[in-house]
Amino acid sequence: DGGITQSPKYLFRKEGQNVTLSCEQNLNHDAMYWYRQDPGQGLRLIYYSQIVNDFQKGDIAEGYSVSREKKESFPLTVTSAQKNPTAFYLCASTPKRRTENQPQHFGDGTRLSIL
Amino acid sequence: AQKITQTQPGMFVQEKEAVTLDCTYDTSDQSYGLFWYKQPSSGEMIFLIYQGSYDEQNATEGRYSLNFQKARKSANLVISASQLGDSAMYFCAMREGRDDKIIFGKGTRLHILP
Repeated sequence: DGGITQSPKYLFRKEGQNVTLSCEQNLNHDAMYWYRQDPGQGLRLIYYSQIVNDFQKGDIAEGYSVSREKKESFPLTVTSAQKNPTAFYLCASTPKRRTENQPQHFGDGTRLSIL
Repeated sequence: AQKITQTQPGMFVQEKEAVTLDCTYDTSDQSYGLFWYKQPSSGEMIFLIYQGSYDEQNATEGRYSLNFQKARKSANLVISASQLGDSAMYFCAMREGRDDKIIFGKGTRLHILP
């Protein structure tokens, strides 16, 4: 079945360490997104990408980096500059560029905790 | 300034009653889309309903309907005949026509009481 796969499901980071969260989709979607969700809070946009080799900062990009070398992959790196990385991270995608009525498909999320 | 505002952090509703979850938005675009998602305690995001800015009729999907008041920039979700399984977080989201950026409100936690 087509969908979005996020891995790992749980991740632990040590102080000063970079970690990378994986997001892969086999839906042939153009746009991909990374959101951060803190307990009891809404989703805040970190980065999004409309097309391969291009991405834009969301509202809370500081301390994070992304790449979009392939259409199906959009990994997120949480760098040591992100001082409060503990959160639930959700990856999403949408089928076509600039098509307002297309809902996002979401992965199952990665829970990141700091040791 | 927040673009999506959900003013109800939490709500308690008796089973079988109707419930309205509020959402107001802010955009200068003429073309945009509004979405509602449900997030159970498992964390998955479930798409519920969509309303386009040019849609003249309010969207409906089963027990879900969207009360769209464009002039007031309001897109409230109405759940009819609530069920225990409706207990979850509910998020309103907006996609502006200029690009593919999609932003979410802070959500409303809905509790359905037996």
